[in-house]
Amino acid sequence: NAGVTQTPKFQVLKTGQSMTLQCAQDMNHEYMSWYRQDPGMGLRLIHYSVGAGITDQGEVPNGYNVSRSTTEDFPLRLLSAAPSQTSVYFCASSYLRGSGETQYFGPGTRLLVL
Amino acid sequence: AQSVSQHNHHVILSEAASLELGCNYSYGGTVNLFWYVQYPGQHLQLLLKYFSGDPLVKGIKGFEAEFIKSKFSFNLRKPSVQWSDTAEYFCALNQGGKLIFGQGTELSVKP
Repeated sequence: NAGVTQTPKFQVLKTGQSMTLQCAQDMNHEYMSWYRQDPGMGLRLIHYSVGAGITDQGEVPNGYNVSRSTTEDFPLRLLSAAPSQTSVYFCASSYLRGSGETQYFGPGTRLLVL
Repeated sequence: AQSVSQHNHHVILSEAASLELGCNYSYGGTVNLFWYVQYPGQHLQLLLKYFSGDPLVKGIKGFEAEFIKSKFSFNLRKPSVQWSDTAEYFCALNQGGKLIFGQGTELSVKP
């Protein structure tokens, strides 16, 4: 199993540009989520999905869109990039949604918005 | 609101020193707590987790953590650190699938 994969690893955008961060998992996990990591703030939840066709907002959803058309993929879209979205983005997945579930993280995408 | 707090932002130790990283949480219900580690340039990996039962939890690479309900704490310990333990450590509370992370503690181990 490849686990959780993310592309690209690094991206530079100009303010106002849009892009999609890709996330895929091959573990047949129902639950997937996106976090952003900023210095001194840990990781914060952006959006999550409990299954194909179902998504919901996390703690910091503004400026981001998600969709879940398949179990495997959970892309994150930046509609109009802003410097405040400069961050490292991690995708995670777990077999089910639940407090006892272990979530597995991808390698991250480092995004710089100029 | 639920929250997780890690007391130490940056800890510097020499090899063979003992380690204790603090983690406190704020949550009134049943807790499921995790410690993740992020080695330089890598993704987060699970060190250990607590669901219920024995409050002393053992994880990978010689790490352990103790859940003390009365103190709302879940501190991470290792009796003797190695240079390879240099990493950032995150404590997290799992609330229905949503992980609430602490700020992280950067550990630097000097050879």
